[in-house]
Amino acid sequence: AQKVTQAQTEISVVEKEDVTLDCVYETRDTTYYLFWYKQPPSGELVFLIRRNSFDEQNEISGRYSWNFQKSTSSFNFTITASQVVDSAVYFCALSVSGNTPLVFGKGTRLSVIA
Amino acid sequence: GAVVSQHPSWVICKSGTSVKIECRSLDFQATTMFWYRQFPKQSLMLMATSNEGSKATYEQGVEKDKFLINHASLTLSTLTVTSAHPEDSSFYICSARDLVNEKLFFGSGTQLSVL
Repeated sequence: AQKVTQAQTEISVVEKEDVTLDCVYETRDTTYYLFWYKQPPSGELVFLIRRNSFDEQNEISGRYSWNFQKSTSSFNFTITASQVVDSAVYFCALSVSGNTPLVFGKGTRLSVIA
Repeated sequence: GAVVSQHPSWVICKSGTSVKIECRSLDFQATTMFWYRQFPKQSLMLMATSNEGSKATYEQGVEKDKFLINHASLTLSTLTVTSAHPEDSSFYICSARDLVNEKLFFGSGTQLSVL
């Protein structure tokens, strides 16, 4: 069975601070995909990234960066110079590929205060 | 880019009525669609896997007779909440897997409120 743990339930930061959202996953499969989604108050899920298990390179996209470490089964997400518009719930998710659904963590609610 | 249209965005209904939610892939074909439910301030929980042309697979604890799923074509899956009760009030969201590249796309969700 797969499991995703987001230990941080809520985080508050002041605008322009950097913030890291933690994600730890469990799976016995050697091939899997990891995801991050943003869910703003409007409810829709905004896709941020998909990373497969064979690609451990860290990725940077603008103010967003992701640190994938198989040794610790972690896929952490960092927002640099946070902005108020970053306020949302962020979900980490795991899929073992094929026709399997995503397994979501419980989410981390990020509040960026001006 | 690929889009999944989910309709309606929100619905208010009386207890005992049935509500149908549509999930449609607009520019790709999806043999598999997934239905999730999200209660306030909680995570997304998988309800069922919808397979085109065959019966849906339900997660443990999800009543298949209450949550009817129909996936009659490669671009449309519907979830019908039958005899809705206030405890069914939730945010329902679907996702569709592109047949060609296996990428997963989410609908915008449906907020159901049962009075």
